Amino acid sequence: KQEVTQIPAALSVPEGENLVLNCSFTDSAIYNLQWFRQDPGKGLTSLLLIQSSQREQTSGRLNASLDKSSGRSTLYIAASQPGDSATYLCAVLDSNYQLIWGAGTKLIIKP
Amino acid sequence: DAGVTQSPTHLIKTRGQQVTLRCSPKSGHDTVSWYQQALGQGPQFIFQYYEEEERQRGNFPDRFSGHQFPNYSSELNVNALLLGDSALYLCASSRQGGTYGYTFGSGTRLTVV
Repeated sequence: KQEVTQIPAALSVPEGENLVLNCSFTDSAIYNLQWFRQDPGKGLTSLLLIQSSQREQTSGRLNASLDKSSGRSTLYIAASQPGDSATYLCAVLDSNYQLIWGAGTKLIIKP
Repeated sequence: DAGVTQSPTHLIKTRGQQVTLRCSPKSGHDTVSWYQQALGQGPQFIFQYYEEEERQRGNFPDRFSGHQFPNYSSELNVNALLLGDSALYLCASSRQGGTYGYTFGSGTRLTVV
């Protein structure tokens, strides 16, 4: 059974720092991995989608990597800003076409 | 290009009542999935609709039912509401089984009193 874990559960850093959020999964048989952002009480915004054949994807200050063999993905945020404060969720599309979720990392960027 | 649209945004219902939530998928998407998200928790999969049929279902009771229309839009119905049904209900659309990713709506906040 696929399980997705996100570490840390919460992170608080000063503005301007570069930071890394981690996502691990137990079964490497995935179609893709997707990173989402969620602001309090709001819906989910897709940040990056990495197909299983890809190693990384970049969008602006965000870079996500995927190492399928080791079951790991990282989301790198460069030059963090207070507006980056949110909960970040990763999800893998497993071999049954089901989206399996991590519990999220709550990120606070202090001005 | 409109993304996923959900209505209403907020809803207050009384225990025992019935509620219908609506979702219009992103243009080009043919599959709609519904999720329940309680405060402080991750999304829980309710069910997924494709070609007007329920294709997959999570661990939710039969009080939760749905429908997909020929234009790919979808409804989520919840009967005999319980206080524990209070949550953010998220709709997501996709195509090709989700291999091109999921797009989520802004959600419907349901409060049962």
